[in-house]
Amino acid sequence: AQSVTQLDSQVPVFEEAPVELRCNYSSSVSVYLFWYVQYPNQGLQLLLKYLSGSTLVKGINGFEAEFNKSQTSFHLRKPSVHISDTAEYFCAVEAGGYNKLIFGAGTRLAVHP
Amino acid sequence: EPEVTQTPSHQVTQMGQEVILRCVPISNHLYFYWYRQILGQKVEFLVSFYNNEISEKSEIFDDQFSVERPDGSNFTLKIRSTKLEDSAMYFCASSETGLAGLFHEQYFGPGTRLTVT
Repeated sequence: AQSVTQLDSQVPVFEEAPVELRCNYSSSVSVYLFWYVQYPNQGLQLLLKYLSGSTLVKGINGFEAEFNKSQTSFHLRKPSVHISDTAEYFCAVEAGGYNKLIFGAGTRLAVHP
Repeated sequence: EPEVTQTPSHQVTQMGQEVILRCVPISNHLYFYWYRQILGQKVEFLVSFYNNEISEKSEIFDDQFSVERPDGSNFTLKIRSTKLEDSAMYFCASSETGLAGLFHEQYFGPGTRLTVT
């Protein structure tokens, strides 16, 4: 069975500082990996995805993530955050099923001025 | 830009009552999903639906739950006899396809917050 662990439930950071949100997964088969963002009172929006190919993937709003198969990780990074990046971020995996997504518990990113 | 819509945004019901949560997927999408998120917990897959039948369901999706596409635009989740533990945010999603090995992005609606009292 697949599972996703987001190691930090909350990450406070100052505006313009870099940030890394950590995600580890477990799966016995090849996976697709995703990061979703949820702004207050809104649905889930896809930030970026890894399907195959280059292990460094770039997404919207300046975010990027690196797939590391040996460490089974897919950490999300941004070199300089903005107040508007304050949101809940979810890592997810899809493995072998019909697009069924398995989500992590989420990381709340709080950007302070 | 097309989007998935859900109604109502918030539903309050008494334990034992039936509720129907409604979703309008993106018009050319063929695969539909329901997920739920209990407050403070992770988003969990409930069910996927294609060609008027369930493709896959989780262990959460027991006999109290059912899904239906009653017409060409709506996709509904029915809970027959609600329990306190059904209180959660319910998300609908849709994708162009859902075939294994051929990924298409799932587009999520804003969710319906269900409160069972």
